[in-house]
Amino acid sequence: RKEVEQDPGPFNVPEGATVAFNCTYSNSASQSFFWYRQDCRKEPKLLMSVYSSGNEDGRFTAQLNRASQYISLLIRDSKLSDSATYLCVVTNRDDKIIFGKGTRLHILP
Amino acid sequence: NAGVTQTPKFQVLKTGQSMTLQCAQDMNHEYMSWYRQDPGMGLRLIHYSVGAGITDQGEVPNGYNVSRSTTEDFPLRLLSAAPSQTSVYFCASSYAGSGNSPLHFGNGTRLTVT
Repeated sequence: RKEVEQDPGPFNVPEGATVAFNCTYSNSASQSFFWYRQDCRKEPKLLMSVYSSGNEDGRFTAQLNRASQYISLLIRDSKLSDSATYLCVVTNRDDKIIFGKGTRLHILP
Repeated sequence: NAGVTQTPKFQVLKTGQSMTLQCAQDMNHEYMSWYRQDPGMGLRLIHYSVGAGITDQGEVPNGYNVSRSTTEDFPLRLLSAAPSQTSVYFCASSYAGSGNSPLHFGNGTRLTVT
């Protein structure tokens, strides 16, 4: 079982819709949590960090549930430019930074 | 700012050949790492380093060696390339591995082993 699990998708949603991604992690000692975005044939780039209290950045909201070992990302009012692969990332106490396989999102015009 | 620089961008090797993928960062980051990305597999951690002189194994270290003689450089060596090592390789760095320090990635090296 991979340490960080994500639904691979693809998610095909119409422009303007709200879409939610989920991620679970198996190491209860994990310390830090992130969402990265990766465009086709490009390097991953940080989208946002995820804090226990939940955090928001414009149309993006991230939530962390440590008890359930679960991370989520919500995208509201989706844009065509949101089409990408979204990667859930977990940092462990041994300094290993582990990526999920990613969830592909296609925003349809 | 150069950030994280990877060379080469593309490489074709024959089975059994050796090569070194170069990675350099100019941000004075202590933490550096190598990932490989294969279709349907996401990014998998090969090796990582929390500082000069320190390296450790990631999820898929077999077939790869690393060294960290300086803070800036973290080369990845394939001693005897195999077709299973055909992949896209990403180098990344951050201020620290643990804690809330995001990774900065290079542009990637696309390696084909025939």
